[in-house]
Amino acid sequence: AQSVTQLGSHVSVSEGALVLLRCNYSSSVPPYLFWYVQYPNQGLQLLLKYTTGATLVKGINGFEAEFKKSETSFHLTKPSAHMSDAAEYFCAVSGPWGAQKLVFGQGTRLTINP
Amino acid sequence: NAGVTQTPKFQVLKTGQSMTLQCAQDMNHNSMYWYRQDPGMGLRLIYYSASEGTTDKGEVPNGYNVSRLNKREFSLRLESAAPSQTSVYFCASRLDSYEQYFGPGTRLTVT
Repeated sequence: AQSVTQLGSHVSVSEGALVLLRCNYSSSVPPYLFWYVQYPNQGLQLLLKYTTGATLVKGINGFEAEFKKSETSFHLTKPSAHMSDAAEYFCAVSGPWGAQKLVFGQGTRLTINP
Repeated sequence: NAGVTQTPKFQVLKTGQSMTLQCAQDMNHNSMYWYRQDPGMGLRLIYYSASEGTTDKGEVPNGYNVSRLNKREFSLRLESAAPSQTSVYFCASRLDSYEQYFGPGTRLTVT
């Protein structure tokens, strides 16, 4: 069984500040991990993914995430927030190749203050 | 290449009415999914189809039925709508790679 916990349903940062969105997972098999972004009234768009290999993964729009097996974490970061980053962010976990299902966290709404 | 499309975008139903949500993908993907999104609960899987001709229940299948009409299309049917089914519904598809591609969603209100 797999589960995802996103710490903080709302995060607010100032423009130009570091963005840190936290995600912890539970998985009985080697996990594949994903971050998706949802802008208002739109579907979900993939930001980045970890499958195997390098544990620091880079995604679109300057975001990156690091897979830490010992901490069962996959936190999302961006060095400098832009107003356009305001959105809802979802962390998700699946099993390895062939696994059909994604399990999503509850989501974190990111607000950027000018 | 439109990706994943969903119709309708918005729908209001009365309790007990039925409707079908349509989803189509033009990416030749094998797997298709239906999710519902409710505030504070993330996305929950209703049904999925790993390939044409197969469907399986997800986390919250009660009150829903699905049909994988062909490789492109996967529909979700509410036979007797209830207020608890007020939600935003997303369809997604996946080839053999890892990530899922999502449609724009259908916002459903049941009164």
